Amino acid sequence: QVQLQESGPGLVKPSETLSLTCTVSGGFISNYYWSWIRQPPGKGLEWIAYIYYSGNTNYNPSLKSRVTISVDTSKNQFSLKLSSVTAADTAVYYCARHVVDTAPLAVWGQGTTVTVSS
Amino acid sequence: EIVLTQSPGTLSLSPGERATLSCRASQSVSSSYLAWYQQKPGQAPRLLIYGASSRATGIPDRFSGSGSGTDFTLTISRLEPEDFAVYYCQQYGRSPTFGGGTKVEIK
Repeated sequence: QVQLQESGPGLVKPSETLSLTCTVSGGFISNYYWSWIRQPPGKGLEWIAYIYYSGNTNYNPSLKSRVTISVDTSKNQFSLKLSSVTAADTAVYYCARHVVDTAPLAVWGQGTTVTVSS
Repeated sequence: EIVLTQSPGTLSLSPGERATLSCRASQSVSSSYLAWYQQKPGQAPRLLIYGASSRATGIPDRFSGSGSGTDFTLTISRLEPEDFAVYYCQQYGRSPTFGGGTKVEIK
């Protein structure tokens, strides 16, 4: 049974770059699409971006200028970088899997909390 | 961007009652690419419904989805104690978006 685990710093300073990694276990990263989603404290969900194992990407237009998503098939991992962060980027960040680009998010990681503060 | 508006914001019901949650889209959702998720405090969302009306693996049949175009509904036929949670709709077209959520709380 595939499992996803987010990892990365829990605290990032304003104007710096947030970097997170999602490690896939119990299955291969190949042949699937992989998304990042976030949830600010007490608020709703926001899709950030997705990547196919081959490297094709799609970004939320509202975040596109600050986001980079990448994949490392040799490590069974994919990553998120969000630049120039502010307090508004404080959130729980989730990674998730979907079988095609237009598919629901069927498998989720447990989420990791990132706080932006000096 | 397709904006999804969920109503009501909060639904106060008792166990055993029927819950009806609404999700309205600002434009037609392609091919019924509409999903519903359940989220409990401190947990990741869980997929309940996809394709507007298909239940995900392991989801009890008291959960049902309906609708097409711009109007979608999630119905919980008889609320169990474990069903009190926040529910989100999502359209998973080219640029996915989520609704703001409906909290189903114990009355």
